[in-house]
Amino acid sequence: DAGITQSPRHKVTETGTPVTLRCHQTENHRYMYWYRQDPGHGLRLIHYSYGVKDTDKGEVSDGYSVSRSKTEDFLLTLESATSSQTSVYFCAISEAGISYEQYFGPGTRLTVT
Amino acid sequence: DAKTTQPPSMDCAEGRAANLPCNHSTISGNEYVYWYRQIHSQGPQYIIHGLKNNETNEMASLIITEDRKSSTLILPHATLRDTAVYYCIVRVGGGKSTFGDGTTLTVKP
Repeated sequence: DAGITQSPRHKVTETGTPVTLRCHQTENHRYMYWYRQDPGHGLRLIHYSYGVKDTDKGEVSDGYSVSRSKTEDFLLTLESATSSQTSVYFCAISEAGISYEQYFGPGTRLTVT
Repeated sequence: DAKTTQPPSMDCAEGRAANLPCNHSTISGNEYVYWYRQIHSQGPQYIIHGLKNNETNEMASLIITEDRKSSTLILPHATLRDTAVYYCIVRVGGGKSTFGDGTTLTVKP
C-alpha cells in the first residue's frame, strides 16, 4: 500500500471554529489532492497541489484553503467550519506525468455541529 | 476533463464475470481512462487504466472501444469481496479529475 496517512481520522468540531486536516506521504510523489465525499455520492475535488507551494482549486474549493510547505505534507484548512462541511475527506497522491494513477489515504471523518 | 456516465447499480452472480460499462463520449485524445473502486467507506483503490488499447492486470481487464467513447471494466470471476462502488474517470496528467457517483456492484452468492 502507498504510504499515505491522514490525521486526525475522526474529528467533531463546532460551527465557526477553524479546523486543519493533515495528509502525509512517504512516496515522494509530486501531486497531492484533497477530496470530500458526502453520503451516497462520489468524490469531489477540493484543492490539489502539483509541487511545494504550488496549488490549484478544484470544483468545491469555497470555504477551504490548503498549504504545502514540504513535499510530504499537504494541509487542508477550514477557516470557519460550517455544518455543510460535515463530510469524509480523502487525501490522494500521484506521480507526475500523463498516466499515473492516484493512491488514496484512509480518510478523515469530520462532523461540524 | 471529460465527464463519464455509469449505471447507478448492477448485480452479478458470484463466480461469473462482471462487466461494468462507462460512457465517456467527450473524451479528448490525450485523456486516459481510469477505474477505481471503493469498498465500504475506505479510500478508493486503483484498479486499471488505459489510453486506447485493451489492458489486463491481475485484478481486471479494460476494454476501450475503437472510437474511445466508451469502455468496459471486466472482473473475470467476481467474488463477494468485489462488492463495491466502481468509478470510471478520464484524465490527463496529474491535474484535476472528476469522480462521478459510480456504479454500485453487488456480487450475490
